[in-house]
Amino acid sequence: AQSVTQLDSQVPVFEEAPVELRCNYSSSVSVYLFWYVQYPNQGLQLLLKYLSGSTLVKGINGFEAEFNKSQTSFHLRKPSVHISDTAEYFCAVSESGGSYIPTFGRGTSLIVHP
Amino acid sequence: GAVVSQHPSRVICKSGTSVKIECRSLDFQATTMFWYRQFPKQSLMLMATSNEGSKATYEQGVEKDKFLINHASLTLSTLTVTSAHPEDSSFYICSARSAGQGGNTEAFFGQGTRLTVV
Repeated sequence: AQSVTQLDSQVPVFEEAPVELRCNYSSSVSVYLFWYVQYPNQGLQLLLKYLSGSTLVKGINGFEAEFNKSQTSFHLRKPSVHISDTAEYFCAVSESGGSYIPTFGRGTSLIVHP
Repeated sequence: GAVVSQHPSRVICKSGTSVKIECRSLDFQATTMFWYRQFPKQSLMLMATSNEGSKATYEQGVEKDKFLINHASLTLSTLTVTSAHPEDSSFYICSARSAGQGGNTEAFFGQGTRLTVV
Protein backbone atom coordinates (compact mmCIF):
# COMPACT_ATOMS: atom_id res chain seq x y z
CA ALA A 1 0.00 0.00 0.00
CA GLN A 2 1.11 3.53 -0.61
CA SER A 3 0.42 6.86 1.04
CA VAL A 4 0.89 10.51 0.18
CA THR A 5 1.63 13.40 2.48
CA GLN A 6 1.10 16.99 1.51
CA LEU A 7 2.48 18.85 4.46
CA ASP A 8 1.06 22.25 3.62
CA SER A 9 -2.70 22.63 3.67
CA GLN A 10 -2.48 26.19 2.45
CA VAL A 11 0.23 28.17 0.67
CA PRO A 12 -0.27 31.91 0.24
CA VAL A 13 1.98 33.68 -2.22
CA PHE A 14 2.12 36.97 -4.09
CA GLU A 15 1.65 37.14 -7.82
CA GLU A 16 4.83 36.63 -9.86
CA ALA A 17 6.61 35.02 -6.92
CA PRO A 18 7.93 31.46 -7.11
CA VAL A 19 6.12 28.67 -5.33
CA GLU A 20 6.82 25.12 -4.22
CA LEU A 21 4.14 22.70 -3.10
CA ARG A 22 5.52 19.76 -1.20
CA CYS A 23 4.62 16.12 -1.63
CA ASN A 24 6.14 13.09 0.03
CA TYR A 25 5.08 9.53 -0.55
CA SER A 26 5.51 6.13 0.98
CA SER A 27 5.51 2.89 -0.94
CA SER A 28 7.24 -0.48 -0.83
CA VAL A 29 7.30 -0.76 -4.61
CA SER A 30 8.04 1.42 -7.60
CA VAL A 31 5.52 4.15 -8.17
CA TYR A 32 4.03 6.55 -10.63
CA LEU A 33 3.51 10.08 -9.36
CA PHE A 34 1.02 12.73 -10.39
CA TRP A 35 0.01 16.29 -9.65
CA TYR A 36 -3.55 17.40 -10.30
CA VAL A 37 -5.19 20.80 -10.05
CA GLN A 38 -8.80 21.36 -9.02
CA TYR A 39 -10.64 24.62 -9.52
CA PRO A 40 -13.76 25.30 -7.41
CA ASN A 41 -16.62 22.94 -8.09
CA GLN A 42 -14.74 21.18 -10.85
CA GLY A 43 -13.04 17.86 -11.40
CA LEU A 44 -9.33 17.23 -11.45
CA GLN A 45 -7.01 18.19 -14.27
CA LEU A 46 -3.65 16.52 -14.70
CA LEU A 47 -0.73 18.94 -14.41
CA LEU A 48 2.07 16.46 -14.87
CA LYS A 49 3.14 12.92 -14.16
CA TYR A 50 6.28 10.94 -13.53
CA LEU A 51 6.41 7.42 -14.89
CA SER A 52 10.09 6.80 -15.50
CA GLY A 53 13.17 8.38 -17.03
CA SER A 54 14.14 11.98 -16.33
CA THR A 55 13.39 12.96 -12.78
CA LEU A 56 12.48 16.50 -13.78
CA VAL A 57 9.02 16.57 -15.25
CA LYS A 58 7.51 19.55 -16.98
CA GLY A 59 3.77 19.98 -17.13
CA ILE A 60 1.13 22.40 -18.25
CA ASN A 61 0.75 26.02 -17.16
CA GLY A 62 4.47 26.37 -16.46
CA PHE A 63 4.58 23.86 -13.62
CA GLU A 64 7.33 21.33 -13.09
CA ALA A 65 8.11 18.70 -10.50
CA GLU A 66 11.17 16.72 -9.55
CA PHE A 67 11.11 13.10 -8.46
CA ASN A 68 13.59 12.41 -5.69
CA LYS A 69 13.67 8.73 -4.92
CA SER A 70 16.03 8.96 -1.97
CA GLN A 71 13.84 11.52 -0.28
CA THR A 72 10.61 9.97 -1.57
CA SER A 73 9.46 13.36 -2.70
CA PHE A 74 7.77 14.87 -5.72
CA HIS A 75 7.55 18.59 -5.07
CA LEU A 76 5.72 20.85 -7.50
CA ARG A 77 7.24 24.17 -8.51
CA LYS A 78 6.48 27.20 -10.59
CA PRO A 79 8.93 30.09 -11.00
CA SER A 80 6.27 32.80 -11.29
CA VAL A 81 2.65 32.34 -10.31
CA HIS A 82 -0.44 34.10 -11.60
CA ILE A 83 -3.71 34.92 -9.93
CA SER A 84 -5.31 32.24 -12.09
CA ASP A 85 -3.14 29.58 -10.42
CA THR A 86 -5.25 29.93 -7.29
CA ALA A 87 -6.70 26.45 -6.84
CA GLU A 88 -6.42 23.19 -4.93
CA TYR A 89 -3.49 20.97 -5.86
CA PHE A 90 -3.41 17.24 -5.25
CA CYS A 91 -0.43 14.93 -5.33
CA ALA A 92 -1.19 11.29 -6.13
CA VAL A 93 0.76 8.05 -6.26
CA SER A 94 0.05 4.66 -7.76
CA GLU A 95 2.00 1.46 -7.98
CA SER A 96 3.77 1.08 -11.29
CA GLY A 97 2.67 -2.05 -13.04
CA GLY A 98 -0.21 -2.42 -10.66
CA SER A 99 -3.90 -1.95 -11.13
CA TYR A 100 -3.45 1.83 -11.12
CA ILE A 101 -5.67 3.03 -8.36
CA PRO A 102 -4.22 6.37 -7.32
CA THR A 103 -3.91 7.39 -3.72
CA PHE A 104 -4.36 11.11 -3.21
CA GLY A 105 -2.85 13.47 -0.72
CA ARG A 106 -5.17 15.74 1.22
CA GLY A 107 -4.46 18.67 -1.09
CA THR A 108 -2.76 22.03 -0.85
CA SER A 109 -4.67 25.21 -1.39
CA LEU A 110 -2.55 27.68 -3.36
CA ILE A 111 -3.71 31.24 -2.83
CA VAL A 112 -2.14 33.84 -5.07
CA HIS A 113 -2.49 37.43 -3.90
CA PRO A 114 -2.17 40.44 -6.21
CA GLY B 1 -6.66 14.59 -24.52
CA ALA B 2 -9.32 12.22 -23.33
CA VAL B 3 -12.56 13.77 -22.15
CA VAL B 4 -14.82 12.53 -19.39
CA SER B 5 -18.20 14.17 -19.06
CA GLN B 6 -20.14 13.99 -15.82
CA HIS B 7 -23.79 14.97 -15.52
CA PRO B 8 -25.43 16.72 -13.79
CA SER B 9 -22.93 19.22 -12.41
CA ARG B 10 -25.31 20.17 -9.62
CA VAL B 11 -28.39 18.50 -8.21
CA ILE B 12 -30.65 19.22 -5.29
CA CYS B 13 -33.00 16.50 -4.16
CA LYS B 14 -35.38 15.83 -1.32
CA SER B 15 -34.46 13.47 1.45
CA GLY B 16 -35.61 9.95 0.67
CA THR B 17 -35.42 10.24 -3.09
CA SER B 18 -32.80 8.71 -5.40
CA VAL B 19 -30.38 10.52 -7.64
CA LYS B 20 -28.49 9.21 -10.64
CA ILE B 21 -25.15 10.65 -11.76
CA GLU B 22 -23.76 9.79 -15.18
CA CYS B 23 -20.15 9.56 -16.22
CA ARG B 24 -19.30 9.28 -19.90
CA SER B 25 -16.00 8.88 -21.70
CA LEU B 26 -16.50 10.91 -24.85
CA ASP B 27 -13.57 9.94 -27.04
CA PHE B 28 -12.27 6.69 -25.65
CA GLN B 29 -13.49 3.41 -24.25
CA ALA B 30 -13.29 3.28 -20.50
CA THR B 31 -12.53 -0.22 -19.33
CA THR B 32 -12.36 0.95 -15.75
CA MET B 33 -14.15 3.75 -13.98
CA PHE B 34 -13.65 5.08 -10.49
CA TRP B 35 -16.11 6.92 -8.29
CA TYR B 36 -14.87 9.31 -5.63
CA ARG B 37 -16.46 11.38 -2.93
CA GLN B 38 -14.91 14.61 -1.79
CA PHE B 39 -15.81 16.39 1.42
CA PRO B 40 -15.17 20.14 1.73
CA LYS B 41 -11.50 21.01 1.92
CA GLN B 42 -10.56 17.35 1.87
CA SER B 43 -9.04 14.87 -0.51
CA LEU B 44 -10.80 12.43 -2.75
CA MET B 45 -12.09 9.29 -1.13
CA LEU B 46 -12.34 6.33 -3.46
CA MET B 47 -15.79 4.79 -3.19
CA ALA B 48 -15.66 2.05 -5.79
CA THR B 49 -13.97 0.75 -8.90
CA SER B 50 -16.00 -0.65 -11.75
CA ASN B 51 -14.96 -2.60 -14.78
CA GLU B 52 -17.21 -2.74 -17.80
CA GLY B 53 -19.62 -5.61 -17.64
CA SER B 54 -18.84 -6.70 -14.12
CA LYS B 55 -19.89 -5.76 -10.61
CA ALA B 56 -18.23 -2.83 -8.94
CA THR B 57 -15.68 -3.31 -6.20
CA TYR B 58 -16.54 -1.14 -3.23
CA GLU B 59 -14.08 0.26 -0.73
CA GLN B 60 -14.45 -0.64 2.89
CA GLY B 61 -17.16 1.34 4.59
CA VAL B 62 -19.04 2.23 1.42
CA GLU B 63 -22.58 0.86 1.35
CA LYS B 64 -23.07 -0.86 -1.97
CA ASP B 65 -26.85 -0.95 -1.57
CA LYS B 66 -26.92 2.78 -1.08
CA PHE B 67 -24.47 3.72 -3.80
CA LEU B 68 -25.42 1.65 -6.83
CA ILE B 69 -22.87 1.61 -9.60
CA ASN B 70 -23.56 0.39 -13.10
CA HIS B 71 -20.95 0.17 -15.84
CA ALA B 72 -22.97 -1.36 -18.61
CA SER B 73 -20.99 -0.02 -21.55
CA LEU B 74 -17.46 1.04 -22.33
CA THR B 75 -18.46 4.69 -22.38
CA LEU B 76 -20.95 5.02 -19.55
CA SER B 77 -21.01 4.42 -15.83
CA THR B 78 -23.71 5.58 -13.45
CA LEU B 79 -23.79 6.15 -9.72
CA THR B 80 -27.21 6.11 -8.10
CA VAL B 81 -27.54 7.42 -4.58
CA THR B 82 -30.60 5.64 -3.23
CA SER B 83 -32.82 7.04 -0.51
CA ALA B 84 -30.59 10.05 -0.17
CA HIS B 85 -30.18 11.81 3.16
CA PRO B 86 -28.58 15.13 4.04
CA GLU B 87 -25.37 13.38 5.12
CA ASP B 88 -24.99 12.14 1.53
CA SER B 89 -24.55 15.73 0.40
CA SER B 90 -21.11 15.95 -1.11
CA PHE B 91 -19.08 16.42 -4.26
CA TYR B 92 -18.92 13.23 -6.33
CA ILE B 93 -16.27 12.78 -9.01
CA CYS B 94 -15.82 10.02 -11.54
CA SER B 95 -12.71 9.11 -13.44
CA ALA B 96 -12.15 6.75 -16.32
CA ARG B 97 -9.23 4.78 -17.59
CA SER B 98 -8.53 2.72 -20.65
CA ALA B 99 -5.59 0.75 -21.89
CA GLY B 100 -5.57 2.85 -25.02
CA GLN B 101 -5.57 6.36 -23.58
CA GLY B 102 -2.36 7.00 -21.65
CA GLY B 103 -1.85 3.30 -21.22
CA ASN B 104 -2.73 2.03 -17.81
CA THR B 105 -0.98 4.88 -16.07
CA GLU B 106 -3.55 7.62 -16.06
CA ALA B 107 -7.20 8.18 -15.35
CA PHE B 108 -9.20 11.13 -16.63
CA PHE B 109 -11.63 12.97 -14.42
CA GLY B 110 -15.13 14.27 -14.88
CA GLN B 111 -16.15 17.74 -13.77
CA GLY B 112 -17.81 16.48 -10.63
CA THR B 113 -21.37 16.60 -9.31
CA ARG B 114 -22.41 18.69 -6.33
CA LEU B 115 -25.20 16.81 -4.59
CA THR B 116 -27.29 18.61 -2.00
CA VAL B 117 -29.96 16.67 -0.14
CA VAL B 118 -32.55 18.82 1.62
